[in-house]
Amino acid sequence: AQSVAQPEDQVNVAEGNPLTVKCTYSVSGNPYLFWYVQYPNRGLQFLLKYITGDNLVKGSYGFEAEFNKSQTSFHLKKPSALVSDSALYFCAVSVTGGYQKVTFGTGTKLQVIP
Amino acid sequence: EAQVTQNPRYLITVTGKKLTVTCSQNMNHEYMSWYRQDPGLGLRQIYYSMNVEVTDKGDVPEGYKVSRKEKRNFPLILESPSPNQTSLYFCASSNGGVNTEAFFGQGTRLTVV
Repeated sequence: AQSVAQPEDQVNVAEGNPLTVKCTYSVSGNPYLFWYVQYPNRGLQFLLKYITGDNLVKGSYGFEAEFNKSQTSFHLKKPSALVSDSALYFCAVSVTGGYQKVTFGTGTKLQVIP
Repeated sequence: EAQVTQNPRYLITVTGKKLTVTCSQNMNHEYMSWYRQDPGLGLRQIYYSMNVEVTDKGDVPEGYKVSRKEKRNFPLILESPSPNQTSLYFCASSNGGVNTEAFFGQGTRLTVV
């Protein structure tokens, strides 16, 4: 079975400071990893993904994430937070080899304080 | 404009009254799926479809049915809704399966009383 853990329900960060939203995963096989963002009353929007290759992945709106196989983590980062980054962030995992389910984490609410 | 369209956006119904939530995508995507979002539980996959006439259960399929008769449409059917199916539902599609990013609809907020 595959699973995703987002250990923080909420992360507060001051505007202009770096932010990190944590994600760890568990799969049998090679993972596909994703980050999505959800603004109030909206569907999820894709931010970035790791499929293979470079462990540092850059995505939309200045976000990036680092795949760490030994720690089974895929933390989302941004060097300088904006108030407009305040939203709900979801990490998701799927796996190679024909198992076609996607598993999402429980979400982390990011609050950027002006 | 590329999009996934769900209808209705809001629905209040009574226990036991059959309902269908429609989902349509205009991107010719093969993979479509349904999720429910509940506080503290995140998104959980209900059903997914890899192509026309190919569907399979996700993690929480009980009480739901789906069909995929056309590539663009993937309706979610609740034959006999119960209050524990009160939730926010999302349809999503992607081109190429689980290794590609998903496009999500705007969501359907369902209340079963």
